[in-house]
Amino acid sequence: ETGVTQTPRHLVMGMTNKKSLKCEQHLGHNAMYWYKQSAKKPLELMFVYSLEERVENNSVPSRFSPECPNSSHLFLHLHTLQPEDSALYLCASSQDHSGRARQYFGPGTRLTVT
Amino acid sequence: GENVEQHPSTLSVQEGDSAVIKCTYSDSASNYFPWYKQELGKRPQLIIDIRSNVGEKKDQRIAVTLNKTAKHFSLHITETQPEDSAVYFCAASEVRGSTLGRLYFGRGTQLTVWP
Repeated sequence: ETGVTQTPRHLVMGMTNKKSLKCEQHLGHNAMYWYKQSAKKPLELMFVYSLEERVENNSVPSRFSPECPNSSHLFLHLHTLQPEDSALYLCASSQDHSGRARQYFGPGTRLTVT
Repeated sequence: GENVEQHPSTLSVQEGDSAVIKCTYSDSASNYFPWYKQELGKRPQLIIDIRSNVGEKKDQRIAVTLNKTAKHFSLHITETQPEDSAVYFCAASEVRGSTLGRLYFGRGTQLTVWP
């Protein structure tokens, strides 16, 4: 349960605010992911980092800006968000980004944009 | 890219009965199929996964079957208990080369087990 942690767990922000989500993994993995989970929709992959390098950007608006300073930490910087960006943001990690490695999720940050 | 369809979207069973959730995928090159359980307000948790070199895998009351020819895989839960109530997600890997790939998820199945 503590392999992948995320902070904050809940965040309410106005459309003009700037905030950051943080993820940390203690599993020694080399790949980290940001997913968006909205009601009635499949999990949407946003970004993939492998060995601190971004390997995938899934057509995500520029108001979401990821950062991976090292293989254990991942951030998602948020600015000028829209109400439709309200969702659960999940971080995950895996041994590699082959698509065949088990992914382990953090508890998520519940984001509400007002 | 890969397309994963999951059915049913909701499933209600009586405690002790079996539950089956089915998924289909489109990319015949996909070779890894995990299942996740997400309880209300909690993170998705990997409960079982299967790779394309086997047709079935079992872990206590949970089993997954894979039919590569038909491109579908299923989750079977036997002797269901109220604590099995959750949303279950299937996923299939899209493989691009030997080192690059990603998972595509189904929309989820809300399973409710009535005591």
